[in-house]
Amino acid sequence: DTGVSQDPRHKITKRGQNVTFRCDPISEHNRLYWYRQTLGQGPEFLTYFQNEAQLEKSRLLSDRFSAERPKGSFSTLEIQRTEQGDSAMYLCASSQPASGNEQFFGPGTRLTVL
Amino acid sequence: AQSVSQHNHHVILSEAASLELGCNYSYGGTVNLFWYVQYPGQHLQLLLKYFSGDPLVKGIKGFEAEFIKSKFSFNLRKPSVQWSDTAEYFCAVKSNFGNEKLTFGTGTRLTIIP
Repeated sequence: DTGVSQDPRHKITKRGQNVTFRCDPISEHNRLYWYRQTLGQGPEFLTYFQNEAQLEKSRLLSDRFSAERPKGSFSTLEIQRTEQGDSAMYLCASSQPASGNEQFFGPGTRLTVL
Repeated sequence: AQSVSQHNHHVILSEAASLELGCNYSYGGTVNLFWYVQYPGQHLQLLLKYFSGDPLVKGIKGFEAEFIKSKFSFNLRKPSVQWSDTAEYFCAVKSNFGNEKLTFGTGTRLTIIP
């Protein structure tokens, strides 16, 4: 399968714990995006990378959130000191200019904070 | 800031009925417009997109959408729905200048009754 992959698919954690999610984009896609989706809402943009550079961050991305893409391939999203309000589906997408920057989405990581 | 409104939260239709889902966006500049679909248990997939040119765009699975600039609308249509079209549909907008994030509507849940 050559689509966007995310790991883990589900994560249950206790409030106050740190969690880290991984996203592997489609090979050779130089752009990578993180979104968050809560129940009954559409995905909300969190941040975006072009290669290893983080070019845009939403105000939704508080100081407890950090994203990296160190080698311009996979990316990690870390949430420190999780809160119940962080419970959501975290979606990753990738794109490349050659295909009109169409964003291809992964299956998401569902986070539940108890 | 850009925003997207999808006024139909849940639509129920019988097979072979015609479909039109509304999408209105708010943004002062040039935009790219998208419809994504999420089938039960699956990830977001692109149905169709509008970048420029012919305002009537055709997508996969018999879907089409019409961009009406004067109404800031991008409604999704299908002349005859099938049970397999049961899914959640999201309209999204992206600024055409520099800003790479997608802004999504809240989605419309479509249920097709056999």
